[in-house]
Amino acid sequence: DVVMTQTPVSLSVSLGGQVSISCRSSQSLVHNNGNTYLSWYLQKPGQSPQLLIYKVSNRFSGISDRFSGSGSGTDFTLKISRVEPDDLGVYYCGQGTQYPTFGGGTKLELK
Amino acid sequence: EVQLVESGGGLVQPGRSMKLSCAASGFTFSNYGMAWVRQAPTKGLEWVATISYDGSSTYYRDSVKGRFTISRDNAKSTLYLQMNSLRSEDTATYYCTRDGSHFDYWGQGVMVTVSS
Repeated sequence: DVVMTQTPVSLSVSLGGQVSISCRSSQSLVHNNGNTYLSWYLQKPGQSPQLLIYKVSNRFSGISDRFSGSGSGTDFTLKISRVEPDDLGVYYCGQGTQYPTFGGGTKLELK
Repeated sequence: EVQLVESGGGLVQPGRSMKLSCAASGFTFSNYGMAWVRQAPTKGLEWVATISYDGSSTYYRDSVKGRFTISRDNAKSTLYLQMNSLRSEDTATYYCTRDGSHFDYWGQGVMVTVSS
């Protein structure tokens, strides 16, 4: 299985601030077809997860440009700028290059 | 609007069976792979199983292989998860998701509690 390691486990931010979440995979996420299937999800309190970013850097429909994804191979980053109250919750990275696996999550809280 | 609505959860004794359903609407169901992802209480996300758009291919995580069966009825736009020989470690909220190498739409989830 591909192990996904997220850091940090929790993060405190002031409204309007910027944060970065790191995700590292135990193997390269480059698929045989050349795509890299790394995605990011946000689970707000009491809700289902929602897709933010897919294939490393593509924002899903309706997702603000305050969210950006980057990285390659085994190292990936999610950046959130101008943090708003609605951004709070647990962020997960996930890979779909092999049988899907997820990182352990990063809880974003208000400072 | 894409909607995925799960049903069929509840309390079940260890070793017994349960079948989950997911009614899909708002997209052409027969064009998409589908999956089940679960989340144990206070834990992270865990992929359970995936089925191809036409049902010809299925994939499972090792811990449920031989016990769970994912299936679909494209005429009814419905996804299923038959869970047999349930264990306490299967206790979780089960989400129905659309699977295209990322999970772009999720249902509200259904709770399954395995306990005597």
